[in-house]
Amino acid sequence: SYELTQPPSVSVAPGQTARIPCGGNNIGTKSVHWYQLKPGQAPLLVVYDDSDRPSGIPERISGSNSGNTATLTINRVEAGDEADYYCQVWDFSSDHPWVFGGGTKLTVL
Amino acid sequence: QVQLVQSGAEVKKPGSSVKVSCKASGGTFSSYTINWVRQAPGQGLEWMGRIIPTVGVANYAQNFQERVTITADKSTSTAYMELSSLRSGDTAVYYCATNRGRYFNYWGQGTLVTVSS
Repeated sequence: SYELTQPPSVSVAPGQTARIPCGGNNIGTKSVHWYQLKPGQAPLLVVYDDSDRPSGIPERISGSNSGNTATLTINRVEAGDEADYYCQVWDFSSDHPWVFGGGTKLTVL
Repeated sequence: QVQLVQSGAEVKKPGSSVKVSCKASGGTFSSYTINWVRQAPGQGLEWMGRIIPTVGVANYAQNFQERVTITADKSTSTAYMELSSLRSGDTAVYYCATNRGRYFNYWGQGTLVTVSS
């Protein structure tokens, strides 16, 4: 089955840029989606189809995807961005086609 | 804007079953698919299965095939996920979510299920 790899944690100071990678075999050929999870809240879709943002998601959050790595980029990081971020793809060859990465904890220093 | 509201936290004994509900509003219930995703403590997200309320057809991930049942009541716009033969490893937050194509666009707030003797 298809696997997605994320670093367990990323730390960044307020105002700086956070980059969260998501690795997968030829992931650039797939559409990647990103979710933000905060304790006690409903998960939030922040990027879909590699780089599109749902209504209400600020432009400082963006996504890219090429080769074996997709990346979620958060510019001008704020304290409120501290959360777990998960990448996800749909893999038709897997038993459970909705495949998630292991998640990355973004810490705002 | 679809809203999904889930039932409250549950504490269950090993070997028992739990049934979690997910009530939808703000959209046409029959027009979307309801998925169930769980997150165990310190673990990532795991898709469990889904149901298409229009036809009542459910699909399950192989890991849960034998123990999970997903149903939907169109009259109340509510989906249900029942997990049987609970064990400690089933302690997790369970989420319902709608999907738009190949991603999940709306999520419930989550239901914590604790399995403990």
